[in-house]
Amino acid sequence: DQQVKQNSPSLSVQEGRISILNCDYTNSMFDYFLWYKKYPAEGPTFLISISSIKDKNEDGRFTVFLNKSAKHLSLHIVPSQPGDSAVYFCAASAYSGYALNFGKGTSLLVTP
Amino acid sequence: DTAVSQTPKYLVTQMGNDKSIKCEQNLGHDTMYWYKQDSKKFLKIMFSYNNKELIINETVPNRFSPKSPDKAHLNLHINSLELGDSAVYFCASSQREAYNEQFFGPGTRLTVL
Repeated sequence: DQQVKQNSPSLSVQEGRISILNCDYTNSMFDYFLWYKKYPAEGPTFLISISSIKDKNEDGRFTVFLNKSAKHLSLHIVPSQPGDSAVYFCAASAYSGYALNFGKGTSLLVTP
Repeated sequence: DTAVSQTPKYLVTQMGNDKSIKCEQNLGHDTMYWYKQDSKKFLKIMFSYNNKELIINETVPNRFSPKSPDKAHLNLHINSLELGDSAVYFCASSQREAYNEQFFGPGTRLTVL
């Protein structure tokens, strides 16, 4: 039973524009959310996170928004760069747990 | 100075064989994990060890046995390999206090023929 869902398997954006990646979750116990970036033949790399007490967290070009009532979060990348082309995984966990629950990922392609 | 390393990177073997994948982290973390990424690209937790003690054991067949000789190592041994075990296996580590920010190794692609 998949508790974290990324319904868009792929996204193509022009360089300089905004990329918006979406994620939905079903488990109301989740209180910490992360985004990971993955290049081919490499492991996922931590990008940005947000706890449930916040609705926004920003780090440079990356901003994560959390809407708890809708059980939805999104990652905004502004401006998008070709080097951002990768698979982005949304992950969630509960404070009492150790495991991360991952979505299936969204493949982002940023074209020049 | 790789933070989380795994060996081997690729592993091709026959059904029925026994194989091991090694993982080491030099980040000083006290918690380590094994994840499996299947053909549908879904990353799923298999095991978690905290200070060498098993914390999480998801519904993984008994043929999979993790071994943690010390806090810096978490090896995965697989007995009687089956076709369905073909996947990419990722090791990860975290400091519990860091609240689940996990650092991943590069993955081991296992192919069972």
